[in-house]
Amino acid sequence: QKEVEQNSGPLSVPEGAIASLNCTYSDRGSQSFFWYRQYSGKSPELIMFIYSNGDKEDGRFTAQLNKASQYVSLLIRDSQPSDSATYLCAVNGRDSWGKLQFGAGTQVVVTP
Amino acid sequence: DGGITQSPKYLFRKEGQNVTLSCEQNLNHDAMYWYRQDPGQGLRLIYYSQIVNDFQKGDIAEGYSVSREKKESFPLTVTSAQKNPTAFYLCASSPMMTGRYNQPQHFGDGTRLSIL
Repeated sequence: QKEVEQNSGPLSVPEGAIASLNCTYSDRGSQSFFWYRQYSGKSPELIMFIYSNGDKEDGRFTAQLNKASQYVSLLIRDSQPSDSATYLCAVNGRDSWGKLQFGAGTQVVVTP
Repeated sequence: DGGITQSPKYLFRKEGQNVTLSCEQNLNHDAMYWYRQDPGQGLRLIYYSQIVNDFQKGDIAEGYSVSREKKESFPLTVTSAQKNPTAFYLCASSPMMTGRYNQPQHFGDGTRLSIL
């Protein structure tokens, strides 16, 4: 079982709609969760991070964490063509000081 | 402008050659990391360093070496022992953990390494 799993997509989303991305993780002791956006050929850039159960909003992005069910999700509201990218979920492990495990990413395609 | 600078952007390696990828940060971050990304895959950790003069192997350290002589710098050498070095190499840095929580890692622009 992979430590961090994401649906590879592509997830096709009409412009203006909500994109919903999911990420599950295997280590029940994980405490820190990150979402990165990666455009084709570029390096990842941080979108959001979340530590506590519940929702965290930043502009059009909302991260949702449920530690009991071991999943973290990312919602992108009012999706724009510029949101077309691969979204990487990253999670720390209990015994992994500073280290993150990355999922393989979900490709999002926003269609005009 | 604070950030992480990786050089070169593109690098070609000949058979049997060692090559060194540069990573410099001016964010005053304590921790630095090297990742490898292959097409369609996530990031895999090669080496990481929490403080100067100390570093640990990640998940795929074989065929790679690093040094951390200065807080700002964490160069990665891809040795001839790495038989499949073609990949996108990413350097990242982060502040120290705050209690039990990891701080976000920030990435440089990456180096693309290919075999000649």
